[in-house]
Amino acid sequence: EPEVTQTPSHQVTQMGQEVILRCVPISNHLYFYWYRQILGQKVEFLVSFYNNEISEKSEIFDDQFSVERPDGSNFTLKIRSTKLEDSAMYFCASSQVAFRYEQYFGPGTRLTVT
Amino acid sequence: DAKTTQPPSMDCAEGRAANLPCNHSTISGNEYVYWYRQIHSQGPQYIIHGLKNNETNEMASLIITEDRKSSTLILPHATLRDTAVYYCIVRVEGAQKLVFGQGTRLTINP
Repeated sequence: EPEVTQTPSHQVTQMGQEVILRCVPISNHLYFYWYRQILGQKVEFLVSFYNNEISEKSEIFDDQFSVERPDGSNFTLKIRSTKLEDSAMYFCASSQVAFRYEQYFGPGTRLTVT
Repeated sequence: DAKTTQPPSMDCAEGRAANLPCNHSTISGNEYVYWYRQIHSQGPQYIIHGLKNNETNEMASLIITEDRKSSTLILPHATLRDTAVYYCIVRVEGAQKLVFGQGTRLTINP
């Protein structure tokens, strides 16, 4: 069964450093998403991406965040200058279309900012 | 998106049916009910979704009341691996994001 993969599984970085989280969505999916979950809190939507552009973003997704689909398979989330409060699990998801179809989630990347 | 209300926790014996309720009294006509679950800190896993008819797949059944103000997710023969947080999400047609609440922490006991 096809699945979404994410690398690395755990990333430790120092405050102020840039990090790039990587995702490989399911191959025939067209919509891509990033969510995050701070420890003990709800899963929160960050951004959705379609046709090489952001289609929706949340208030959390400020100028420190960016997304990119650099090639036909990868989908990345970049945090330009990490803060302590960016420590969280980051989940990538993909879906065939935007609605009435399930989003498939990856296993997540645990980001720890020290 | 309509707000949902779920009990914070539930217990169920292994092998029995687990019935997870969700209240969505402000749901509107073009909003679908989705169920996801999250095992430990893994990525959320899609279970099932529906509009107004009852739905069944290999994982679960979804029963939506006639007035659509509430629904029940049924895991027919719960196993220990079904221990997870279950999220009921109401999603308006055209919306891309999923809005997760706190969900119900379901514990399956041996």
